[in-house]
Amino acid sequence: DGGITQSPKYLFRKEGQNVTLSCEQNLNHDAMYWYRQDPGQGLRLIYYSQIVNDFQKGDIAEGYSVSREKKESFPLTVTSAQKNPTAFYLCASTRKAGQGFSGANVLTFGAGSRLTVL
Amino acid sequence: AQSVAQPEDQVNVAEGNPLTVKCTYSVSGNPYLFWYVQYPNRGLQFLLKYITGDNLVKGSYGFEAEFNKSQTSFHLKKPSALVSDSALYFCAVRDILTGGGNKLTFGTGTQLKVEL
Repeated sequence: DGGITQSPKYLFRKEGQNVTLSCEQNLNHDAMYWYRQDPGQGLRLIYYSQIVNDFQKGDIAEGYSVSREKKESFPLTVTSAQKNPTAFYLCASTRKAGQGFSGANVLTFGAGSRLTVL
Repeated sequence: AQSVAQPEDQVNVAEGNPLTVKCTYSVSGNPYLFWYVQYPNRGLQFLLKYITGDNLVKGSYGFEAEFNKSQTSFHLKKPSALVSDSALYFCAVRDILTGGGNKLTFGTGTQLKVEL
């Protein structure tokens, strides 16, 4: 079955450490996104990528970094510069707008990764 | 920038009763609106969307939403609630990214609790 796989599901980090969250999709989607979810704040966009080797900052990119070396993969690194990294992180993907209007804009989400800083 | 607001943090309803989860939007141009559902410690699942056409949109699991342009609302509804509908519901609007492409901007979410 096609879908998005995020790993690990749960992650604990000491202050000052960088951690990398994995996101892999086999949907042949062009665009991929990272959102952060905090209670009562909804989802906020961290980074997005519309094609391989290109990515852009979202609304809350400070303290995070990403790469997009393959179409299927969009890992997120939470660096020690992120002041409050404890959160639920969601990866999503979608077809490129224009490739089938009915499918464009509908995001498919992974199951999420919960990061806790000790 | 486009935005959506969900005015209720929580909605309680008895099983078998109709449910409504409210969403209002603020956009320039024509809105592309979505509803997603999230179960505990899981990702979001797509329920339905409004792009154009009929103001009443039907989606998954018996949910529907009514687009009202004059009231700038897109409320989620279901005629008869089930205990299994208890979850966190998000309204979202498509926003255009600088340099092209899309993103979804989400509301803060409404926790639906359906009780026996």
